Amino acid sequence: QQQVKQSPQSLIVQKGGISIINCAYENTAFDYFPWYQQFPGKGPALLIAIRPDVSEKKEGRFTISFNKSAKQFSLHIMDSQPGDSATYFCAATQGGSEKLVFGKGTKLTVNP
Amino acid sequence: ETGVTQSPTHLIKTRGQQVTLRCSSQSGHNTVSWYQQALGQGPQFIFQYYREEENGRGNFPPRFSGLQFPNYSSELNVNALELDDSALYLCASSPFRDRGTGELFFGEGSRLTVL
Repeated sequence: QQQVKQSPQSLIVQKGGISIINCAYENTAFDYFPWYQQFPGKGPALLIAIRPDVSEKKEGRFTISFNKSAKQFSLHIMDSQPGDSATYFCAATQGGSEKLVFGKGTKLTVNP
Repeated sequence: ETGVTQSPTHLIKTRGQQVTLRCSSQSGHNTVSWYQQALGQGPQFIFQYYREEENGRGNFPPRFSGLQFPNYSSELNVNALELDDSALYLCASSPFRDRGTGELFFGEGSRLTVL
């Protein structure tokens, strides 16, 4: 049972464009939703995270939008750059646990 | 500050063999989690260690086992290797708090190929 569904599987964006990645979850007990960025040959690195008591969190060019009623959250990358080309994973957990449930990932390619 | 280091980076085994993967946690971190990342998939939680004891386990069979040492480093052992065990094995460390943040610091992984 896939508890976190992520789409699209791959995404190609032009430099300066907006990249949008969507995730949906099933377990209403989840209370922490991080996004991880993974470059080839590297481990995932935390990019930005949100808790369900807020609907949006912004850090630089990266924004998480959260819709608790729809059980959906999304990552927006503004002014996408070639250096943003990586695989992005949404994840979820509950009760502060480090047992994260990950989506299958989105491979983002930003063309110059 | 030293990050999470894993060894070996790559290894090849045959079905039925056993493998041991090692992880040194980031300085100041006392909790270690192991994840399996199959090709094209997201990481899947195997188990977590805190104070040298298993502190949570995912849906993996008992042939996946681990250890944590007093210096917080950790080992992942897999017995009776199967072809489907081929994956990137990620170690992640975090500082233990009463209520964790869910923030993990991952190493670069050990790429296991089972032939």
